[in-house]
Amino acid sequence: QQQVKQSPQSLIVQKGGIPIINCAYENTAFDYFPWYQQFPGKGPALLIAIRPDVSEKKEGRFTISFNKSAKQFSLHIMDSQPGDSATYFCAASGGSQGNLIFGKGTKLSVKP
Amino acid sequence: DSGVTQTPKHLITATGQRVTLRCSPRSGDLSVYWYQQSLDQGLQFLIQYYNGEERAKGNILERFSAQQFPDLHSELNLSSLELGDSALYFCASSVVLGGELFFGEGSRLTVL
Repeated sequence: QQQVKQSPQSLIVQKGGIPIINCAYENTAFDYFPWYQQFPGKGPALLIAIRPDVSEKKEGRFTISFNKSAKQFSLHIMDSQPGDSATYFCAASGGSQGNLIFGKGTKLSVKP
Repeated sequence: DSGVTQTPKHLITATGQRVTLRCSPRSGDLSVYWYQQSLDQGLQFLIQYYNGEERAKGNILERFSAQQFPDLHSELNLSSLELGDSALYFCASSVVLGGELFFGEGSRLTVL
């Protein structure tokens, strides 16, 4: 049973556009929601993360919006650049284990 | 460079064979995680170790096993390999449970 659902599977935007990637979770015990960025041939790397005590977190051009009641969170990339072209994964974890449950990923392509 | 080292980077083998993937976590990280990444399933959590002991188990097949040694490096053993086991296998490590995971660059396994 997939516990984190991510959409869309792929996304194409023009340079300067604002791609939005959405995720929904089921397990109310989750208390840590990171986004990872993966370039071809590389391992995923943490981009930004949020905990449920805040509704929004911004780091540079990347913003997470979090809706606890709807069990949803999203990633917004402001002023997107071709260098942002990568696969983005949302994830969630909770309790004392620490293992992340990942969404299936969104392949983002930013056209010049 | 995440500081997590995985070997080998590429591995080609035949069905029915057995392989061992090795992971050295970042210095000081006690927790090691193994993930399988395939095109259609995204990042699937396999198993987690913390300071030598199994902490959590995900979708790991009975043909697969893992361990974490006293020096904290970990090995993932895959046996009776099938074509469907072809995937990227990632190791990650973390300082604390429920925090950032640092991923290695993965081991690409091809089963022919």
